[in-house]
Amino acid sequence: GAVVSQHPSRVICKSGTSVKIECRSLDFQATTMFWYRQFPKQSLMLMATSNEGSKATYEQGVEKDKFLINHASLTLSTLTVTSAHPEDSSFYICSARNVRDGSRLFFGEGSRLTVL
Amino acid sequence: AQTVTQSQPEMSVQEAETVTLSCTYDTSESDYYLFWYKQPPSRQMILVIRQEAYKQQNATENRFSVNFQKAAKSFSLKISDSQLGDAAMYFCAYRSPTGNQFYFGTGTSLTVIP
Repeated sequence: GAVVSQHPSRVICKSGTSVKIECRSLDFQATTMFWYRQFPKQSLMLMATSNEGSKATYEQGVEKDKFLINHASLTLSTLTVTSAHPEDSSFYICSARNVRDGSRLFFGEGSRLTVL
Repeated sequence: AQTVTQSQPEMSVQEAETVTLSCTYDTSESDYYLFWYKQPPSRQMILVIRQEAYKQQNATENRFSVNFQKAAKSFSLKISDSQLGDAAMYFCAYRSPTGNQFYFGTGTSLTVIP
């Protein structure tokens, strides 16, 4: 089946530093990838939609300068949390749509970010 | 915007028994997709079952089946012969055929009692 890999699964960083999270579709092409944030025991909150070759579309309330998204190829999207602060600590999940079956979403394993 | 509501934050079921998780949604569209995703402690979201709104027949995947009531905008998930590995958070999700976005419910935490 389709696989989406997310890396790193866990990252701890100091306040003020930047962290990059990668999302790769391993066996299919994904023109669209999505980045979600999930707080403990809560649902997934869509942060932005990442389209290959164009600028990401951010949801209301999400700072585009803080959460930089790049979708440089059909199999890779990256989320960079810039100048991270403790309140950015969260579980970040990416998902990808297969160009051949756009009705389904395939999810990455998630990345646990802890900002000290 | 579409909304998805899961009114049961927590549910429990005895192993080998059957449990039903509720989901309702709000939409003005006539054609759309509905999903149930499972998020085990490992945190990776896994697709459990999918239903296209234009299909009247309820989707079934082994021990998992849905009760899709389009007029009532209800999409419940039934898990038969519950197993310990079914313990997880379950999210109901909606997607329109034209849009990119998936709308998720707040989730139901399922506990399976041995």
